[in-house]
Amino acid sequence: AQTVTQSQPEMSVQEAETVTLSCTYDTSESDYYLFWYKQPPSRQMILVIRQEAYKQQNATENRFSVNFQKAAKSFSLKISDSQLGDAAMYFCAYMETSGSRLTFGEGTQLTVNP
Amino acid sequence: EAGVTQSPTHLIKTRGQQATLRCSPISGHTSVYWYQQALGLGLQFLLWYDEGEERNRGNFPPRFSGRQFPNYSSELNVNALELEDSALYLCASSTGLAGGHEQYFGPGTRLTVT
Repeated sequence: AQTVTQSQPEMSVQEAETVTLSCTYDTSESDYYLFWYKQPPSRQMILVIRQEAYKQQNATENRFSVNFQKAAKSFSLKISDSQLGDAAMYFCAYMETSGSRLTFGEGTQLTVNP
Repeated sequence: EAGVTQSPTHLIKTRGQQATLRCSPISGHTSVYWYQQALGLGLQFLLWYDEGEERNRGNFPPRFSGRQFPNYSSELNVNALELEDSALYLCASSTGLAGGHEQYFGPGTRLTVT
């Protein structure tokens, strides 16, 4: 079974600075999808970014980018120019190509300090 | 475009009772997913429905069941409620059966079992 691990339960960053959240996963599949979701205090899960494993190019969405290392099974999220609104719980998630269920990591609570 | 909606927002039940949670997907989405977010247990996949059929189920007992209606909305039923069923239940929707599609989440239903 696939597993997703987020080894940083909590992280903090100063406003306007850059922070990187770590995620590793375990799978025997060669093709799959990876996601980062954020969950602010409102509890609404919001999709941040999506990566297809067969694409070598790292996904980017505005201030959010990933560092996808397929051989190392690593999928980190970099947030540049951090804003107060980025404060949330961030979840890394895995999806196999043959199905649609998401397997989530434990989450990283990000605090943004003014 | 309206997002995924869930009702009720909060639900309080007594142990042994039944709970019914409802979800309406984004217009055009045919797949509905249910996840449980319990304290200390993270986000766990419950059920996946597409085109009215149950496509996949997570590691939950049979007293967790559901259905999808012709308009693609969905119900999650939890029978014989136990205290450990207290959790935030999140519904998500996506397009199509093929894997890799982004899942968009609703605001959740907070179920409390006393």
